[in-house]
Amino acid sequence: DQQVKQNSPSLSVQEGRISILNCDYTNSMFDYFLWYKKYPAEGPTFLISISSIKDKNEDGRFTVFLNKSAKHLSLHIVPSQPGDSAVYFCAATFTGGGNKLTFGTGTQLKVEL
Amino acid sequence: NAGVTQTPKFQVLKTGQSMTLQCAQDMNHEYMSWYRQDPGMGLRLIHYSVGAGITDQGEVPNGYNVSRSTTEDFPLRLLSAAPSQTSVYFCASTGMGGDTQYFGPGTRLTVL
Repeated sequence: DQQVKQNSPSLSVQEGRISILNCDYTNSMFDYFLWYKKYPAEGPTFLISISSIKDKNEDGRFTVFLNKSAKHLSLHIVPSQPGDSAVYFCAATFTGGGNKLTFGTGTQLKVEL
Repeated sequence: NAGVTQTPKFQVLKTGQSMTLQCAQDMNHEYMSWYRQDPGMGLRLIHYSVGAGITDQGEVPNGYNVSRSTTEDFPLRLLSAAPSQTSVYFCASTGMGGDTQYFGPGTRLTVL
């Protein structure tokens, strides 16, 4: 039972354009969501997060949108850069969950010149 | 700060062998976790700890043991390795009240 789903295994975008990565969840208990970025042969690194009390959080080129009624979140990267090419994981947790993260399966983003 | 460190980076075992994957953090974080990453499966939680002396099971704990005798170290033990345990293993830590998990570089384990 996949509680966090990333239905697009891969995404290809041209440099300078917008990248939109999507994530859906099924567990209504989740109230905190995170995006991690992973390069080959490295551990995931934290990118941006959002609490369920918000519907948008922005950090530089990265914005995460949360639609609680649809149980959907998305990560927007504008403008996309070749260094953004990596695997992006969506993760979710809940208050009192002891920081246990439930991850999606990841989306491989390729930003082409 | 070295952050979260993991050893070894690579390991090949034969079925039935035992080994310990080491994880250490120098950030004085209370929470530590072990995940495994398999193709098409994302990262799945194996075991976690909320402080020294306290551990609990995650989503896929079978075949693995953990202990937490100090704040800094959180080793993962495979008592009798099986081919199904071939994976990349990541250790992570978070401070109390923190919302970001810091991951180590991973250990790539192959069980023949």
